[in-house]
Amino acid sequence: AQSVTQLGSHVSVSEGALVLLRCNYSSSVPPYLFWYVQYPNQGLQLLLKYTTGATLVKGINGFEAEFKKSETSFHLTKPSAHMSDAAEYFCAVKGGEAGGFKTIFGAGTRLFVKA
Amino acid sequence: GAGVSQTPSNKVTEKGKYVELRCDPISGHTALYWYRQSLGQGPEFLIYFQGTGAADDSGLPNDRFFAVRPEGSVSTLKIQRTERGDSAVYLCASSDRVGAGNEQFFGPGTRLTVL
Repeated sequence: AQSVTQLGSHVSVSEGALVLLRCNYSSSVPPYLFWYVQYPNQGLQLLLKYTTGATLVKGINGFEAEFKKSETSFHLTKPSAHMSDAAEYFCAVKGGEAGGFKTIFGAGTRLFVKA
Repeated sequence: GAGVSQTPSNKVTEKGKYVELRCDPISGHTALYWYRQSLGQGPEFLIYFQGTGAADDSGLPNDRFFAVRPEGSVSTLKIQRTERGDSAVYLCASSDRVGAGNEQFFGPGTRLTVL
C-alpha cells in the first residue's frame, strides 16, 4: 500500500542554519507529492508540490524540495532558517499506485528554530 | 475571499452521543475532503466528494461515520454512538476542480472531545 515516511518527528536548528526535513514515499507509480505547513492554531497551508516536469520545486517562504525517483524521496530544504519557520511540516502523496484523489499524509515533523 | 470554515471549532460530547460537524468550502470549489488528525499524527483521509456524490469513502473507519453534501457545497460529517477513540481534530479541505495535483485549501478544524 502507498505510504509516506517522515524521518524525525522533531528537528531543531539554529536561526540562519540549513533546514532539511526528510520525506520518503512508497509507491510503484510516482505519485504527486506535496509539503504542507501547519502553524499553531492554524489550518494546513500548501508550501509546494510536485506534479510533473522539473524535479526541483520552489515554494513559498524560501522553501524548496527535490523529487528523486530513484530514492523515492521528496526532502524539503531551506538554506537559512528563520524563527517564523517554527511549525509542523507534513509531506503528502496523492495518485500514484492508489490512483484517485485520496491524499496520504506522513506523521509530520515539528521544526524548532533556536535563536 | 473567505476560506474554508468549520463549525463548531470545539465540540465536547459524551460517549454514545451523536455529533454533526459542518464544513463550508470556498465558494465554487467542487471537491471537498474530510480528514481526521489525532494527536501527534498527520491527517488521515476519511472521504472525498466531487459535487454532491462521495467519490471515495474508503477512509471512513466504520458505519458510525457518515458524510453528506446534498447541494454540492456545505458538507456535514455525522458520527453516531461516539466513542472516546473518536476524539481528534476533524479537518475539511476543498479544491476548485478535479485533479490529483490540485491544491487543497484546509479549514481550521473542529476539535472533538468524547468524554
